[in-house]
Amino acid sequence: RKEVEQDPGPFNVPEGATVAFNCTYSNSASQSFFWYRQDCRKEPKLLMSVYSSGNEDGRFTAQLNRASQYISLLIRDSKLSDSATYLCVVIPNTGGFKTIFGAGTRLFVKA
Amino acid sequence: DAGVTQSPTHLIKTRGQQVTLRCSPKSGHDTVSWYQQALGQGPQFIFQYYEEEERQRGNFPDRFSGHQFPNYSSELNVNALLLGDSALYLCASSFGDDRGYEQYFGPGTRLTVT
Repeated sequence: RKEVEQDPGPFNVPEGATVAFNCTYSNSASQSFFWYRQDCRKEPKLLMSVYSSGNEDGRFTAQLNRASQYISLLIRDSKLSDSATYLCVVIPNTGGFKTIFGAGTRLFVKA
Repeated sequence: DAGVTQSPTHLIKTRGQQVTLRCSPKSGHDTVSWYQQALGQGPQFIFQYYEEEERQRGNFPDRFSGHQFPNYSSELNVNALLLGDSALYLCASSFGDDRGYEQYFGPGTRLTVT
């Protein structure tokens, strides 16, 4: 089993749609969680951190479910500019600094 | 304020050769992490450097080695290149005392091994 697994995608949605991505992680002691966005042939950029209480940033909402070991990202009112690959990131609580990325979920938003 | 820079942008090497990639962290950052990203995959953690020492290493063979300089810049060296080493190599910088804090990525070096 992979340490971090994401929906393979791609997701094709019309503008204005709501889309949700899920990510599961295998290490129950994992302590830090993030969503990164990566545009085609560009470097990843932090989209948002994921907190236990859930957090929202404009149209984006991130949730963490420790009991089920998954995190989610919800995008409301999708824009064409949201088209990108969304990467789930987990930092295990193993006393180290290794950062584990999921394989990413590709999103295409169409007019 | 310069972000993370990497050089070269692209590189073509032959199997068996050695390569050195370079990274300068974002101003104020003292920690550099290196990642390998194959096509269609997420970045894979190679190692992290802090205070000029390798602080943690991912599941990569000893052919992958690195160095951090007193100015916090870093190099990634790969010996005895294999075809499977062809990938985008990303460098990310952060503050060393904030585990899990935001990492800023450079544009990457695209390595092709023929």
